[in-house]
Amino acid sequence: AQSVTQLDSHVSVSEGTPVLLRCNYSSSYSPSLFWYVQHPNKGLQLLLKYTSAATLVKGINGFEAEFKKSETSFHLTKPSAHMSDAAEYFCVVSESGGFKTIFGAGTRLFVKA
Amino acid sequence: EAQVTQNPRYLITVTGKKLTVTCSQNMNHEYMSWYRQDPGLGLRQIYYSMNVEVTDKGDVPEGYKVSRKEKRNFPLILESPSPNQTSLYFCASSLARGGEQYFGPGTRLTVT
Repeated sequence: AQSVTQLDSHVSVSEGTPVLLRCNYSSSYSPSLFWYVQHPNKGLQLLLKYTSAATLVKGINGFEAEFKKSETSFHLTKPSAHMSDAAEYFCVVSESGGFKTIFGAGTRLFVKA
Repeated sequence: EAQVTQNPRYLITVTGKKLTVTCSQNMNHEYMSWYRQDPGLGLRQIYYSMNVEVTDKGDVPEGYKVSRKEKRNFPLILESPSPNQTSLYFCASSLARGGEQYFGPGTRLTVT
């Protein structure tokens, strides 16, 4: 069975400092992993995805994530936060070739000036 | 423009009054899903569809129905809505199984 745990419900950083949003997953098969972002009162946008190619995945707006199979983790990072990064971030797992999709509970990122 | 559209965007209704939320995509995607979003729970999959006339339950299907008579449309039906179905609903489509999903703008439903 699949599951996703986002380890922090809220993360607060100062503008210009690094961002780390943590995600652990559980999957019986080779998973596809995603990070989506939801800005206030907006829909969801794909940040990046891992589908068994390179373990370090680069996404939009300077975000990247590293797939670590031994740790079953897929943490999202960004070297320098911008005010426009304030949003809710969702880690998502979908079994490769499967139909069911599991979302984490979300991490709300606050960026202080 | 490639997009997923949902209607209505906002709906307030009363317990027991049947309603339908429409979803349409113009990307010729085979796979479509419905989710509900509740605070602290993320998005939970209600139903998904692999192709025309092929649908299956997600994690929270109780109280919902879907149909897929055309590739582009995937309506969500609440035959007898209850207050615990008050939520934000998203429709999504994808080209490949387990692939990137494209989300609609959401429908905020309130059942009183």
